[in-house]
Amino acid sequence: GIQVEQSPPDLILQEGANSTLRCNFSDSVNNLQWFHQNPWGQLINLFYIPSGTKQNGRLSATTVATERYSLLYISSSQTTDSGVYFCAVDSGGYNKLIFGAGTRLAVHP
Amino acid sequence: EAGVAQSPRYKIIEKRQSVAFWCNPISGHATLYWYQQILGQGPKLLIQFQNNGVVDDSQLPKDRFSAERLKGVDSTLKIQPAKLEDSAVYLCASSLAGVSPLHFGNGTRLTVT
Repeated sequence: GIQVEQSPPDLILQEGANSTLRCNFSDSVNNLQWFHQNPWGQLINLFYIPSGTKQNGRLSATTVATERYSLLYISSSQTTDSGVYFCAVDSGGYNKLIFGAGTRLAVHP
Repeated sequence: EAGVAQSPRYKIIEKRQSVAFWCNPISGHATLYWYQQILGQGPKLLIQFQNNGVVDDSQLPKDRFSAERLKGVDSTLKIQPAKLEDSAVYLCASSLAGVSPLHFGNGTRLTVT
């Protein structure tokens, strides 16, 4: 089945810093979504982005489907950005998402 | 718009006991998913429903896990008998039909002792 690799596994930032999280996948996909899991365990959908670029406030994401990767950019990070960021992909068209292991982000004041 | 509702939030049981989790998806969402998230890992899909039919249950340990969505709305996931390795957070999600964003509930944290 399709493999999803996220990097880095862990990231520590000072408040106000920018960061880039990467998601590589092993096969072509028709569905890619980014999620944020906050320290209380709630998973929030950030982006549905099978290709192209989207922006939502301080967050933006780019997926280059032909090269099998996606990037999540966080600008001017805040302590509330802490948590785990997951990339999830589907190649079969049934919305059956396969999750990566996540990037654990800690933002310190 | 109300989100995905799950209950209970926490459950502690002894091994070999049974347990059930309940999920009510976002109104109008035809597709419902149950995921298992073990500490430190990404969520793993257990079963996917489209209305009241099963789309995929290839990762569901059918000797002990069962799930139903009888009227195409809310769903229950049952474990019987539970094993220590079933300790995890059980997440329910829903989406519109087809390829669309998933929305997750708060999850049920299960501890098996």
